[in-house]
Amino acid sequence: GQQLNQSPQSMFIQEGEDVSMNCTSSSIFNTWLWYKQDPGEGPVLLIALYKAGELTSNGRLTAQFGITRKDSFLNISASIPSDVGIYFCAGRYPFQVAQKLVFGQGTRLTINP
Amino acid sequence: GAVVSQHPSRVICKSGTSVKIECRSLDFQATTMFWYRQFPKQSLMLMATSNEGSKATYEQGVEKDKFLINHASLTLSTLTVTSAHPEDSSFYICSARVGQIYEQYFGPGTRLTVT
Repeated sequence: GQQLNQSPQSMFIQEGEDVSMNCTSSSIFNTWLWYKQDPGEGPVLLIALYKAGELTSNGRLTAQFGITRKDSFLNISASIPSDVGIYFCAGRYPFQVAQKLVFGQGTRLTINP
Repeated sequence: GAVVSQHPSRVICKSGTSVKIECRSLDFQATTMFWYRQFPKQSLMLMATSNEGSKATYEQGVEKDKFLINHASLTLSTLTVTSAHPEDSSFYICSARVGQIYEQYFGPGTRLTVT
């Protein structure tokens, strides 16, 4: 089945540092989505990407759709305490009638005081 | 916009009983909704895809008679866990697709505990 590898699995950083995480796929995707999940809550959509090479920002967050269509990264600049949570990438591969998303394993972000 | 609600947020039930979870799209019509299950510290596992007015499509390994899904209207899908057992305890999350675009918006989740 479709595999999505997300790394790193966890990050421990100081407040104010920049963060970078990425996802790679074994197959081509035509959509990449990045979500953040807080404990006990559902995931919240951060950024959606639809074209290879696309670079999109949402405040301090920036995500890119890799040119090979098999990867995507998410950067967070100048991290703040409310950035703590689990970040998931999700992708959809072409010709997928059911519109299902494949999810990465998540990156758990912890910010040291 | 694109708000999805779930009810209840938490439910505790006894083994052998059935539990219904509602998922509503509040400010848009969702032709397709999805039901996920999430275990602690794990990613989301798709259980089924629900299309308004038709039968749900279940993922491999998900028992359709155990997890009954009904998508009766463009704003409501329900998941019923029948004859629940402790191993059904989990975090259940629904999501809805907005129109023809591929973004999915998630509900806040339902924590089910079966005693």
